[in-house]
Amino acid sequence: EVQLVESGGGLVQPGGSLRLSCAASGFTFTNYWMTWVRQAPGKGLEWVANIKQDGSEKYYVDSVKGRFTISRDNAKRSLYLQMDSLRAEDTAVFYCARALSTSQYSPLTYWGQGILVTVSS
Amino acid sequence: EIVLTQSPGTLSLSPGERATLSCRTSRSVSSSYLAWYQHKPGQAPRLLIYSASIRATGIPDRFSVSGSGADFTLTISRLEPEDFAVYYCQQYVRSPQTFGQGTKVEV
Repeated sequence: EVQLVESGGGLVQPGGSLRLSCAASGFTFTNYWMTWVRQAPGKGLEWVANIKQDGSEKYYVDSVKGRFTISRDNAKRSLYLQMDSLRAEDTAVFYCARALSTSQYSPLTYWGQGILVTVSS
Repeated sequence: EIVLTQSPGTLSLSPGERATLSCRTSRSVSSSYLAWYQHKPGQAPRLLIYSASIRATGIPDRFSVSGSGADFTLTISRLEPEDFAVYYCQQYVRSPQTFGQGTKVEV
């Protein structure tokens, strides 16, 4: 059974940093692109970033470029999102998601349950 | 960035009725790279349909997609009680792989 379990969320002050983790199991982690998606309170889903199987390609939404860094550790079957210079508008539930296929151009078929990040003083 | 615009924002219907949800893209997107998701409060989003009209595992055939170019439609032929949720379209042909803002289907 595919499982994606996020951790590392919580309350952080504006300007602070947080690192999210996503532990993957039940599939060959090295075969898939991995993605972070977020949902701010009362808002819709926002695609945040994704990363290639070997970590050699990464893409970000403009609003987080230069502040967030996506990475992965294939030996640990884990996905990460380092979030720096956090703003109030980054407050959201963050989801880790796996692509349906091994292609970059693939919908997201497996999702974690999400982890809440709150940026507030 | 490809912008996806969904309409209406909210659809108020009753069980048994037909739901028609629209997704328009700011530039033409091959239907092969468009997906629809269902999202309920407190749950993870669920992939419904992708690559034009392929239903994900376990998705009933009352869900269907039509359209091409920059104009796509998700149809739920007869709403079941479990179908009341928020629906999102997403393009995955170009990063960032943007979502629409969602359509809430409510009773």
